[in-house]
Amino acid sequence: GAVVSQHPSRVICKSGTSVKIECRSLDFQATTMFWYRQFPKQSLMLMATSNEGSKATYEQGVEKDKFLINHASLTLSTLTVTSAHPEDSSFYICSASGGGRSNYGYTFGSGTRLTVV
Amino acid sequence: TQLLEQSPQFLSIQEGENLTVYCNSSSVFSSLQWYRQEPGEGPVLLVTVVTGGEVKKLKRLTFQFGDARKDSSLHITAAQPGDTGLYLCAGESNDYKLSFGAGTTVTVRA
Repeated sequence: GAVVSQHPSRVICKSGTSVKIECRSLDFQATTMFWYRQFPKQSLMLMATSNEGSKATYEQGVEKDKFLINHASLTLSTLTVTSAHPEDSSFYICSASGGGRSNYGYTFGSGTRLTVV
Repeated sequence: TQLLEQSPQFLSIQEGENLTVYCNSSSVFSSLQWYRQEPGEGPVLLVTVVTGGEVKKLKRLTFQFGDARKDSSLHITAAQPGDTGLYLCAGESNDYKLSFGAGTTVTVRA
């Protein structure tokens, strides 16, 4: 089946630094990738949608200058949390879709636990 | 983002009992998906239902999509400790985005 690899699984960074999270589709071409964040005991909240070669579309309330998304190839998308602060600490999860419809499936990465100290 | 209400939030039952999780919305979805998520992991897709009134079975799990494609239910028969986890429903909208419910934490006691 489709596999999405997300790295790193855990990262601790100092306040004010930037952190990059990678999401790779290993055996299919991901035309669309989604980035979510999940706080403890809460559900997944969509942050942004990115299509290969296009600028990401951000959900309301998500700062595009803080959460930089790059989807330069059909197998790789990155999320960079810039100038991270403790309130950015969360579980970040990517999802990749090969055709934009559930027939192709939405495969999720294993998530990245970000802790900003 | 369309709102999905999932209930109950927590469910604790004894092994062998049955349970049902509900997912309701005022919006119509192209499809509705059920996921299971383990702590520290990403969600894993259990099933996708597309047609109004559709019923799908996956071993002891039965999924139903409402006739109007606004609600869904997940029923587990004879629950086992291995069924313990966070169950999430997600509605797929026409713009290919998923809206997730708040999740139901299921605990099956041996």
